Amino acid sequence: SYELTQPPSVSVSPGQTASITCSGAKLGDKSASWYQQKPGQSPLVVIYQDIRRPSGIPERFSGSNSGNTATLTISGTQPMDEADYFCQAWDSTTAIFGGGTKLTVL
Amino acid sequence: EVQLVESGGGLVQPGGSLRLSCAASGFTFSSYWMHWVRQAPGKGLVWVSRVNYDGTVTSYADSVKGRFTISRDNAKNTVYLQMNSLRAEDAALYYCTTTGVRFSGWFDPWGQGTLVTVSS
Repeated sequence: SYELTQPPSVSVSPGQTASITCSGAKLGDKSASWYQQKPGQSPLVVIYQDIRRPSGIPERFSGSNSGNTATLTISGTQPMDEADYFCQAWDSTTAIFGGGTKLTVL
Repeated sequence: EVQLVESGGGLVQPGGSLRLSCAASGFTFSSYWMHWVRQAPGKGLVWVSRVNYDGTVTSYADSVKGRFTISRDNAKNTVYLQMNSLRAEDAALYYCTTTGVRFSGWFDPWGQGTLVTVSS
């Protein structure tokens, strides 16, 4: 079965750039999405179709997807960006999520 | 405002059944693919099932195939998840979400979830 692998945790200082990776076989041939989930809240899409940002999502969030890796980049990370982030793609008729990455801003 | 409101969760014994509901508003429900995604406490997101706009096409994760059934009532703007033969590993917060008119894609928005606890 298809798997997406994320690092369990990433730490970043305020104002710096955070990069969260998502790895899967030929992931670049699929369309990747990214979700932010803060404690006690439902997931929120921050990137879809690899690079697109929904309205209302700050410009500091960006995405890329090539080869076997999709990357979520947060430029000028703010304390409010501290959350769990999940990547997601489709394998045929099944949606696959990565295991999630806890982003700590300290 | 687009809104998804789940209900029906609760405590059930192993082997028991439960039916979850998700009431939708603020969009053309009858045109949208609807999905259920679950999250065990402290764990990640797991896709469970999806149904097409008129209920004629469904898909399931292997872990629930044969035990769960997704359906919808477009007259009531509601999607359901009938869960039978529940196991301890089915315990989770169940979210309702949509990929719009696409059968696959990104999930947006999400409901607040309904909690299912499986325990004797």
